[in-house]
Amino acid sequence: GQQVMQIPQYQHVQEGEDFTTYCNSSTTLSNIQWYKQRPGGHPVFLIQLVKSGEVKKQKRLTFQFGEAKKNSSLHITATQTTDVGTYFCAGPANAGGTSYGKLTFGQGTILTVHP
Amino acid sequence: NAGVTQTPKFRILKIGQSMTLQCTQDMNHNYMYWYRQDPGMGLKLIYYSVGAGITDKGEVPNGYNVSRSTTEDFPLRLELAAPSQTSVYFCASRLRGRAERDTEAFFGQGTRLTVV
Repeated sequence: GQQVMQIPQYQHVQEGEDFTTYCNSSTTLSNIQWYKQRPGGHPVFLIQLVKSGEVKKQKRLTFQFGEAKKNSSLHITATQTTDVGTYFCAGPANAGGTSYGKLTFGQGTILTVHP
Repeated sequence: NAGVTQTPKFRILKIGQSMTLQCTQDMNHNYMYWYRQDPGMGLKLIYYSVGAGITDKGEVPNGYNVSRSTTEDFPLRLELAAPSQTSVYFCASRLRGRAERDTEAFFGQGTRLTVV
């Protein structure tokens, strides 16, 4: 079945350092979504990428979708303590057919930021 | 703006007990989902529904049941609780999207369940 792998599993950074998490799918994705989950909280939607090679920015966050639409990355510039949490990528669960909005999530990257 | 509401937030069950996790959304979303989250494992889909009266299994449905009698409510039933069902459960909902443009999913606050 479809798999979405995400690395690294953990990342510890000093405040001000950059952070990147990578997402790889075993199948071509029609789109990819990114979610953030604060400690003890619930996943919150960040962004969706649809086009091959797409790059989107949200302030210090940069999201990329690979040319083959099988990989994606999230880069945070100059991390802040407010960036702490788990970042998940997620793709449609049915690679070829209708997904009905179902998502296959990566394992997530847990980011800790030391002040 | 309640969004997706789950109850209870925490629950401890004994092996073999039953319980229902409640989920309701007030956004008139067609699609609803139940995910479970285990440490280091991401979120796994248990069941989903595309509308009232229509439900289907996800990736890890064993030991669970659902129903969808209204657009707003999507309860998850555990019949015979087992330690393997210790997890955090999230209900989510979203609008039906066009092809390749799935809409964002809105998650509830989660239910932390421990089976002892």
